[in-house]
Amino acid sequence: KQEVTQIPAALSVPEGENLVLNCSFTDSAIYNLQWFRQDPGKGLTSLLLIQSSQREQTSGRLNASLDKSSGRSTLYIAASQPGDSATYLCAAGLPNDYKLSFGAGTTVTVRA
Amino acid sequence: ETGVTQTPRHLVMGMTNKKSLKCEQHLGHNAMYWYKQSAKKPLELMFVYNFKEQTENNSVPSRFSPECPNSSHLFLHLHTLQPEDSALYLCASSHRLAGSSGANVLTFGAGSRLTVL
Repeated sequence: KQEVTQIPAALSVPEGENLVLNCSFTDSAIYNLQWFRQDPGKGLTSLLLIQSSQREQTSGRLNASLDKSSGRSTLYIAASQPGDSATYLCAAGLPNDYKLSFGAGTTVTVRA
Repeated sequence: ETGVTQTPRHLVMGMTNKKSLKCEQHLGHNAMYWYKQSAKKPLELMFVYNFKEQTENNSVPSRFSPECPNSSHLFLHLHTLQPEDSALYLCASSHRLAGSSGANVLTFGAGSRLTVL
């Protein structure tokens, strides 16, 4: 069974600082890894999806890397803004297994 | 709006009530999912439908009953719930089942916040 862990559970940074969010998974045979953002009381918004054959994906200020051998993915958010305050979740998918395994998330607060 | 619409957004019900949650997507997706999100816990997959057929019941108690009349609509019927069932219930859809070949992003609805008294 795939176990996904996100540490730390919460993070507070001043505006402008770069954010580094960690996601680790136990089964390296993942098919893809997705990063989501969740605002309080809302659903999840997909940010980036990294296929198993890729090492990273970029979208604007967001960059996600994937290292299957070490069982890790990292989400970088450059020059953080108060609007980046949210909970960020990662989810790892195994081939032919639709049970995406989610981490519990990292709640980010960007202080103005 | 993400393309996946959930109603109602908030629901308060007693333990003896019967209610339903509705999910609708017009993204042309073939797979739909119900997830449960409790405070400080990872999302729990409840049910999966692919082309209207249920492909997964993740050991969910029978007081939760899903229904998928077509690929665009998904319901979760609730009956005789317990206070510990209070949570955010999220519906999601994807073009193909998660784990299938190719990039397959899950699109989530905003969720239905359920409180069981």
